[in-house]
Amino acid sequence: GAVVSQHPSRVICKSGTSVKIECRSLDFQATTMFWYRQFPKQSLMLMATSNEGSKATYEQGVEKDKFLINHASLTLSTLTVTSAHPEDSSFYICSARDEGRAIAVGWQYFGPGTRLTVL
Amino acid sequence: AQKITQTQPGMFVQEKEAVTLDCTYDTSDPSYGLFWYKQPSSGEMIFLIYQGSYDQQNATEGRYSLNFQKARKSANLVISASQLGDSAMYFCAMRATSGTYKYIFGTGTRLKVLA
Repeated sequence: GAVVSQHPSRVICKSGTSVKIECRSLDFQATTMFWYRQFPKQSLMLMATSNEGSKATYEQGVEKDKFLINHASLTLSTLTVTSAHPEDSSFYICSARDEGRAIAVGWQYFGPGTRLTVL
Repeated sequence: AQKITQTQPGMFVQEKEAVTLDCTYDTSDPSYGLFWYKQPSSGEMIFLIYQGSYDQQNATEGRYSLNFQKARKSANLVISASQLGDSAMYFCAMRATSGTYKYIFGTGTRLKVLA
């Protein structure tokens, strides 16, 4: 099946630094990728839709200047948490839509997630 | 607005027994897809089963089946012959309006299988 990777799987950083998380579709092209955030014992909340070659679409309440998304190729999207603070500590999950499958399904494949801890 | 509701924050089931996890949804879109995912403590999202809104039959995947009642807007997950490895968080999700393909997730149900 389709595989999506994320790197790093875990990251610990100091408050005020920036952290970049990569999301790659390994065996398919993905013009659309999604970034989710999940706090402990809570559900996945969509942060933004990443579109290859264009600007990301952010969900209401998500600071676009804080969470920078770049989707420079059909297999890679990056999320950069700028000037991270302890409240940004969370589990970040990406997913990629495989246009090769039936369009009506809108199938997404999920990465394994990145656990960010900001000290 | 589209919404997914999971009313069971936690469930217990005895090993080898069947368990039903509830999911109701709300949408005005005539075309939609419903998904169930399992999330173990590692955090990865494991796809379990999918039901399309126009599918005539309930979806089944091994020990997983989806009890789809369109008129009631419910899509309950049934796990048969529960195993200890089934202990995890389970999320119901709906594919949103066709133009965006966004997923909307429920709040999840934590299932604990007892030996």
